[in-house]
Amino acid sequence: EAQVTQNPRYLITVTGKKLTVTCSQNMNHEYMSWYRQDPGLGLRQIYYSMNVEVTDKGDVPEGYKVSRKEKRNFPLILESPSPNQTSLYFCASSLDRHQETQYFGPGTRLLVL
Amino acid sequence: KQEVTQIPAALSVPEGENLVLNCSFTDSAIYNLQWFRQDPGKGLTSLLLIQSSQREQTSGRLNASLDKSSGRSTLYIAASQPGDSATYLCAVLGSGGYNKLIFGAGTRLAVHP
Repeated sequence: EAQVTQNPRYLITVTGKKLTVTCSQNMNHEYMSWYRQDPGLGLRQIYYSMNVEVTDKGDVPEGYKVSRKEKRNFPLILESPSPNQTSLYFCASSLDRHQETQYFGPGTRLLVL
Repeated sequence: KQEVTQIPAALSVPEGENLVLNCSFTDSAIYNLQWFRQDPGKGLTSLLLIQSSQREQTSGRLNASLDKSSGRSTLYIAASQPGDSATYLCAVLGSGGYNKLIFGAGTRLAVHP
């Protein structure tokens, strides 16, 4: 089954404790993205990757890091989480830059105390 | 800067009604427009994708139209059912963009029996 998986689905942590949210897709997609969703603000792109070892900032990259060492995986790293990073995070992938159907993961709900 | 607006923010209708969700965008230089469905606790599911050269797309009871010159799209749902209850998101991809969708805040739909 074609899918994007994220782990963990739910996470409660404390300020400053480094964490990683994993994302994996099994569709051999080149393009992957991370978004955060906040009430009233919609989804906003954090980072994206056009291929292995190629990443770039989206609209709200501050406080986040990513890496793309393998085509299928695109982890999101919060080096020192802060309460304003409490949000619902989505990973997405698509076959090409023009996003002929973009597939989203189930989301990771993060609470930073 | 592209902005996407969805009206109404919330909608409650009795089962069987035909309904229209609206989406507007400020920059007509788009590559495509997508409609997504979001269920609580789940990721986004792509419903319809309209390329900038197209006027509409249909899938079952769903029909989406695009008027690029006026910056508008509508999602028409025929004969609504309780299972249609969800949040519907509209997103546009700018013609110069790399893998970045700009989302509206969504329309929360409730269809009651």
